[in-house]
Amino acid sequence: GDSVTQTEGLVTLTKGLPVMLNCTYQTTYSPFLFWYVQHLNEAPKLLLKSSTDNKRTEHQGFYATLHKSSSSFHLQKSSVQLSDSALYFCALSAGTNSAGNKLTFGIGTRVLVRP
Amino acid sequence: DAGVTQTPRHEVAEKGQTIILKCEPVSGHNDLFWYRQTKIQGLELLSYFRSKSLMEDGGAFKDRFKAEMLNSSFSTLKIQPTEPKDSAVYLCASSLEGTGITGQLYFGEGSKLTVL
Repeated sequence: GDSVTQTEGLVTLTKGLPVMLNCTYQTTYSPFLFWYVQHLNEAPKLLLKSSTDNKRTEHQGFYATLHKSSSSFHLQKSSVQLSDSALYFCALSAGTNSAGNKLTFGIGTRVLVRP
Repeated sequence: DAGVTQTPRHEVAEKGQTIILKCEPVSGHNDLFWYRQTKIQGLELLSYFRSKSLMEDGGAFKDRFKAEMLNSSFSTLKIQPTEPKDSAVYLCASSLEGTGITGQLYFGEGSKLTVL
């Protein structure tokens, strides 16, 4: 079945530094990849998405590029802010009509930004 | 527009009790999902409805978990009987199918269940 792997459970860094969160996936279908962000005591929200190979997608200072050759969709930001402290989930849609928006999520990476 | 509404926000149950969690999706959405969130497993799919029809129920959760969608604007998740390992946050999400794969799920704030 489909799966998503996020290797870091917790990332702690200082404000202003760059961050990269790893995400790899497995699927036999054409992949659609997503990043969701969940701030403390809030609902998860879609951050960005892609289904186009080797094309960078950006939103709110975050960016990611889907690389089908390596089955990866890493999330990056050049300079983190205190407000970026949150839980980040990578997610995969199998890209079939029956699956639609049914997403398989990774375990999540908690980002803690210190002053 | 109202988002996804989940009630109760917090629930404390004794082992063996029956609990019912409720969800009202975004008006007009026809896909509805129930996920369980834990620190160890992350987000696990419990059930998936499309236009009120059950499309998938997570195999590992079949025996004590039952989700229903009585109408397009209301869904319940029943856990019977509860066990301490069911302690988690239960998230409901909805989306609009038919516009292609957008990955745009609208989540509720969740129901935090604690089983003693």
